[in-house]
Amino acid sequence: DTGVSQNPRHKITKRGQNVTFRCDPISEHNRLYWYRQTLGQGPEFLTYFQNEAQLEKSRLLSDRFSAERPKGSFSTLEIQRTEQGDSAMYLCASSPSGGATDTQYFGPGTRLTVL
Amino acid sequence: AQSVTQPDIHITVSEGASLELRCNYSYGATPYLFWYVQSPGQGLQLLLKYFSGDTLVQGIKGFEAEFKRSQSSFNLRKPSVHWSDAAEYFCAVTGGGADGLTFGKGTHLIIQP
Repeated sequence: DTGVSQNPRHKITKRGQNVTFRCDPISEHNRLYWYRQTLGQGPEFLTYFQNEAQLEKSRLLSDRFSAERPKGSFSTLEIQRTEQGDSAMYLCASSPSGGATDTQYFGPGTRLTVL
Repeated sequence: AQSVTQPDIHITVSEGASLELRCNYSYGATPYLFWYVQSPGQGLQLLLKYFSGDTLVQGIKGFEAEFKRSQSSFNLRKPSVHWSDAAEYFCAVTGGGADGLTFGKGTHLIIQP
């Protein structure tokens, strides 16, 4: 068990550019979650997948954000036309099956800075 | 809508002293409650969780938390803190493991030598 990994760990981009982050969950975990954490705040839920199906999206996930999990393994989060307000830590988590007592295991996050 | 309040933004404790971090939640049904710790450069690590049963739950690193339904609280405690406990602590609530977690804003713990 190597844990949840996220790449890149840091990303600096200019306003208006597109960025993509990758999350590799713990092997055989069916659930995958994305959160966003801004400075001084707790993580905020964005979306989650059950295998390859995206089952819920937060109202925080604007049209510029899209997430995929094409084969039910790794996931990508893309932000189009980045804005300075998108600067945050983007966290990924996975859980075994999404059962009521499952624990979500978090990755180290990708820190995005939009200039 | 569910919410979590952590009233203390910062707490300073002397090494070896006891610790209590407060957490109040708002949730319409039976809550599932969690405490996570976040150290710089590290991912969130689960300390403990409460789903049902005994309202005093034990976690890793010597932490425990008590669920008090009447007070809508889930406070985290440790009898004797170590310098390595300095970190950000987050309380979270959900209606079940399948749902996204709702986090509080966190409490930054500072340990004085």
